[in-house]
Amino acid sequence: DGGITQSPKYLFRKEGQNVTLSCEQNLNHDAMYWYRQDPGQGLRLIYYSQIVNDFQKGDIAEGYSVSREKKESFPLTVTSAQKNPTAFYLCASSIGRERNTGELFFGEGSRLTVL
Amino acid sequence: GDSVTQMEGPVTLSEEAFLTINCTYTATGYPSLFWYVQYPGEGLQLLLKATKADDKGSNKGFEATYRKETTSFHLEKGSVQVSDSAVYFCALSDAGSNYKLTFGKGTLLTVNP
Repeated sequence: DGGITQSPKYLFRKEGQNVTLSCEQNLNHDAMYWYRQDPGQGLRLIYYSQIVNDFQKGDIAEGYSVSREKKESFPLTVTSAQKNPTAFYLCASSIGRERNTGELFFGEGSRLTVL
Repeated sequence: GDSVTQMEGPVTLSEEAFLTINCTYTATGYPSLFWYVQYPGEGLQLLLKATKADDKGSNKGFEATYRKETTSFHLEKGSVQVSDSAVYFCALSDAGSNYKLTFGKGTLLTVNP
């Protein structure tokens, strides 16, 4: 079945450590996104990529980094510079380019807890 | 810029009650409008959408009508079930924002038996 796979589902990290969250899609979508979800704050856009080898900062990019070396993959690294990294992270994709309507397809999410 | 304002939660209803979750938007162009649902511990799923004025989106007994004159897209269901308990997000996208989705803050719905 086509879809978006995020891993790991749960992750614990010590302060000062970088951690990478995986996101893979087999929907042949051009665009991919990372969102952060905190209780009562809705979804906030971290980074997005509309094509391979290109990505843009979203509203809360500080302390995060991404890469888009393959169409299927858009990993997110939460660096030690992110002051409050404990959150639920959601990856999404959309058709992209001229066919885009804005509809997003989401993964199941990764919950990161900093100890 | 674009923005979405939706009804603050939480909303608690009894099974078979009528549901309305209000959503209004601000956009510079002609946006597409969406309702997403998030069940506990999961990602978001598209519930319904409407791409132009007066369109009605519907799915699983939920409905929402794109009202350009009131810039609204209220979610309704005639008879809710316990399994409808979830967080509901209203969202919009338009060409001016390069089709990036703008989300409301979400409304938690709890349906009791």
